[in-house]
Amino acid sequence: DQQVKQNSPSLSVQEGRISILNCDYTNSMFDYFLWYKKYPAEGPTFLISISSIKDKNEDGRFTVFLNKSAKHLSLHIVPSQPGDSAVYFCAARGGANNLFFGTGTRLTVIP
Amino acid sequence: DTAVSQTPKYLVTQMGNDKSIKCEQNLGHDTMYWYKQDSKKFLKIMFSYNNKELIINETVPNRFSPKSPDKAHLNLHINSLELGDSAVYFCASSLGLAGVGDTQYFGPGTRLTVL
Repeated sequence: DQQVKQNSPSLSVQEGRISILNCDYTNSMFDYFLWYKKYPAEGPTFLISISSIKDKNEDGRFTVFLNKSAKHLSLHIVPSQPGDSAVYFCAARGGANNLFFGTGTRLTVIP
Repeated sequence: DTAVSQTPKYLVTQMGNDKSIKCEQNLGHDTMYWYKQDSKKFLKIMFSYNNKELIINETVPNRFSPKSPDKAHLNLHINSLELGDSAVYFCASSLGLAGVGDTQYFGPGTRLTVL
């Protein structure tokens, strides 16, 4: 019973263009959403987050959008750089800081 | 100067054995977690401890027993290992439990292979 879903296992984007990673969730009680970035043989690294009371949060090249009515969030990276190539995990927070993760989207930025 | 560290990084063992994975954080956090990432890349929480007290205990077989000797350590002991236990296990920590800033920081993972 997966409460957070990332339906695109992979995405390829040209350097300098926008990368858009998508995530859907089912539980309307989630209060906080996060994006993590993961390189091979390393643990996930926190990237950006958004509270459920907001619809947008921006940090440099990274922007997260939240559409609560659609239970959908997205991560925009612009401009994309080769160093952004990694697996991106969407996560949603339930009670007691319990994070529910999606299965990840592998982003490849082509130079 | 690793914030969340795990040992060992790789663990290969026979079915039926008992093994432990250690986790330490030097961030001064109060809360620690264990996650399991299976072959389908699904990352799922197993346990959470806050100030050495068990907070989250998801549906995990009794063969898995976390132990927190102090706030900075959360070890995972697995008895009678089974083939299905093969996965990557991640330790994580956060300052608290419910605040907006209670981001979880992850260790590098331990890849367990049960033969």
